[in-house]
Amino acid sequence: DAGVTQSPTHLIKTRGQHVTLRCSPISGHKSVSWYQQVLGQGPQFIFQYYEKEERGRGNFPDRFSARQFPNYSSELNVNALLLGDSALYLCASSLARSTWGYTFGSGTRLTVV
Amino acid sequence: QKEVEQNSGPLSVPEGAIASLNCTYSDRGSQSFFWYRQYSGKSPELIMFIYSNGDKEDGRFTAQLNKASQYVSLLIRDSQPSDSATYLCAVTLRDDKIIFGKGTRLHILP
Repeated sequence: DAGVTQSPTHLIKTRGQHVTLRCSPISGHKSVSWYQQVLGQGPQFIFQYYEKEERGRGNFPDRFSARQFPNYSSELNVNALLLGDSALYLCASSLARSTWGYTFGSGTRLTVV
Repeated sequence: QKEVEQNSGPLSVPEGAIASLNCTYSDRGSQSFFWYRQYSGKSPELIMFIYSNGDKEDGRFTAQLNKASQYVSLLIRDSQPSDSATYLCAVTLRDDKIIFGKGTRLHILP
């Protein structure tokens, strides 16, 4: 069984550019959440989607947006990149509610220069 | 602002000893509690979850929950060098989001 897959694994972008990160959840999982993890910190919640609807949004600016597709895969978009957006972006999936915890993908390492 | 607090460490424990990791949380409505292990450069891996007050054991790991004190802990018995990692405490909020602490770095001394 494939786990949570994220692409790309690494990405280097220039300030002001736009980036799209992609995530495919575990088969059968309908909920996808996105987290940002800066070095030395815990994951910070960005978005949660369930059945293609946004269920929650963390304290991130409007430059961050996301969506979930009919096949439950998801995209995270970040516009007008800042140096401070450099981080590991993690996608996590779960069956439905978060009761049983999340399974994380391997992440996308974004570097903004 | 709902929070999860952990001592960042590093916590150094001799091989074979018991490692004790602690966490407090602020949302009294939290119902589910998790411990994730994260090796350097890797993504977090779920190792334990607990819902009820008391202890839950799985192999060398024991999770302890005290909802009245809003306190969660993780004990690792017979610590091995491979246990050296950052341990993240996470809780589910009333709106079903999961939030994480900053993590405790654990170093097992051979």
